[in-house]
Amino acid sequence: EAQVTQNPRYLITVTGKKLTVTCSQNMNHEYMSWYRQDPGLGLRQIYYSMNVEVTDKGDVPEGYKVSRKEKRNFPLILESPSPNQTSLYFCASSLSGFRRDLYEQYFGPGTRLTVT
Amino acid sequence: SQQGEEDPQALSIQEGENATMNCSYKTSINNLQWYRQNSGRGLVHLILIRSNEREKHSGRLRVTLDTSKKSSSLLITASRAADTASYFCATDGPLNSGTYKYIFGTGTRLKVLA
Repeated sequence: EAQVTQNPRYLITVTGKKLTVTCSQNMNHEYMSWYRQDPGLGLRQIYYSMNVEVTDKGDVPEGYKVSRKEKRNFPLILESPSPNQTSLYFCASSLSGFRRDLYEQYFGPGTRLTVT
Repeated sequence: SQQGEEDPQALSIQEGENATMNCSYKTSINNLQWYRQNSGRGLVHLILIRSNEREKHSGRLRVTLDTSKKSSSLLITASRAADTASYFCATDGPLNSGTYKYIFGTGTRLKVLA
């Protein structure tokens, strides 16, 4: 089944404790992206990747890191989480970032992160 | 940065009625997409409309795009209780802008009463 998977689905952690949220897609998509969703603010893009080893900042990249060493995986790293990073996080992928006029994004189920 | 805004923020209708929600954005775009989200779950793509298109249909969905007004509307006809969800528009920048971001709106919460 074509899908985007994220792990963990729920995570409660403490301020400053490094964490990684994994994202994997099995559709051979080139474009992958991370979003955070907060009440009243909609989805905001954190980082995106056009392909392996090519990443770029979205609108809210501060406090996050990403890497794209393999086409299928795009982990989100919080080196020193803070309470203002408490949010619902979504990973998404698309066949091509260059042809966004043709291809939609497929979203993972979300990771609910709480930082205390 | 550009920001999509949906209007209304919330909408409550009876089953069988039509639901219309609007999206406005600030800069030129190459395409606009509509997504649905059920209660905190992952978003599901509904329809994509390119900047050179004015209207598009998919089943009970009808999307219009007015690039001169920088706005789009999503019409759901003959709504069902299962249409209860949040609806988001998402835009990108022009193909050769050098940016490959997506900008999502704040969403419209639709409730369809049985």
